[in-house]
This record gives sequence, C-alpha cells and structure tokens, in this order.
Amino acid sequence: EAGVTQFPSHSVIEKGQTVTLRCDPISGHDNLYWYRRVMGKEIKFLLHFVKESKQDESGMPNNRFLAERTGGTYSTLKVQPAELEDSGVYFCASSRIRATATNEKLFFGSGTQLSVL
Amino acid sequence: QQQVKQSPQSLIVQKGGISIINCAYENTAFDYFPWYQQFPGKGPALLIAIRPDVSEKKEGRFTISFNKSAKQFSLHIMDSQPGDSATYFCAASFAHNQGGKLIFGQGTELSVKP
Repeated sequence: EAGVTQFPSHSVIEKGQTVTLRCDPISGHDNLYWYRRVMGKEIKFLLHFVKESKQDESGMPNNRFLAERTGGTYSTLKVQPAELEDSGVYFCASSRIRATATNEKLFFGSGTQLSVL
Repeated sequence: QQQVKQSPQSLIVQKGGISIINCAYENTAFDYFPWYQQFPGKGPALLIAIRPDVSEKKEGRFTISFNKSAKQFSLHIMDSQPGDSATYFCAASFAHNQGGKLIFGQGTELSVKP
C-alpha cells in the first residue's frame, strides 16, 4: 500500500513569492490533515478535510494560506504571499476515519521543508 | 488549556539503558494520548497510544505510563537501542471529537549511544 506522498520535499522561495504544496493521501482515506512544525517547536494542526469538505480550519494562521481538496482526493496548500515566519516543515496526514477513533491510525507523509528567505 | 508540554528537549542514553520522556497537559477533557516516532527525513509514525481508563500500556520495549490525577503521561523505552534514535512526540486529543485533531508536544530528540 502506497503511503502518504508529499511534493515537493523541499522548497526555497523568497519572501513575497507564492508556493503550493501537494499531498496525496492513502487511497480510500477520507480524512486528510495538514500540520506544520516550525524549527524546534511542536507540530501544530492547520486544518482537516473530510473528503472535499473542510471540517476544521481553526489552525490556519491567516488568509495567506489556502487549502483545497478538489474531488476529495489530493490536497494542495498554497501560501501567498509567503513571509519569513512561514518557514517550517509542512506535514500532511491521512486516515480512513477520524484519527483518534479506536484502532485507527494516522499516517503522515515525509513533509515539505519550506524555507522563505 | 490546549497545550501539551514535553520534556526533555533532548536525551542521550547508553545502549541497553532506559529512556524516559515526560508530557503534561492541562485540559482534563483530553482522552486520547498517542506517542509518535519520527526518523530523519520521514514523517511521524504512531508508536503507541493510551486512553485514560488504564494507567499503563506496554508494547514490546515501549511502555506508556499515565497518571490522570497529575495530568501527566510518559514514554519508557526499555533496553534502548541505537535504532531507537529518533525524535519522539507526545500528543493529546479528544477521542470522540469529530475531527481527530491532535495537539502535539515540542518533541524529544533521543540519541542512543552504542
């Protein structure tokens, strides 16, 4: 079974530019989550999709961040315009049902390392 | 209220020793406490999880101890091996929350010396 795939693995952009991160969840996983880890800090929740619908976007930092999941398959996270504080590792994760359900597992991708200069 | 505090930030243990990582939380409504293990260049992977109706859960060399009254939980790695060297994250959530959002600690970098 293929895991959660994220692209690109690394992205270096200048402040003010736009970057789009992509996540392909495990096939059949309706739940898709985006998380971010800024250097040395905790992994922070950004948002949660159930199929194509945003279930919870309470962690999105501001309106420079836009997440989509058209068709309920892959998801994109766009940052426009990027700021220095957006640097960090962006993780995508997926699960069949909600991640905290009994016997359910949350599968993470390897992340996208975003550096804003 | 929504934070999970994890310590230590880094830990060096000799092969064969016991690694102990601690986490504390404030929100008594949390009822799901997983631990994730992350190797360099990889995403976090679920290692072991506990719910507050038990005080301990063991899987192989990994044990979670849970103290509900103190609002603390810890990960013990027995007979630590160099292959256990990784970053460990504790987390907390509401098991019956519709979303399954996790609140993570800051992570502990564990290095097991041969």
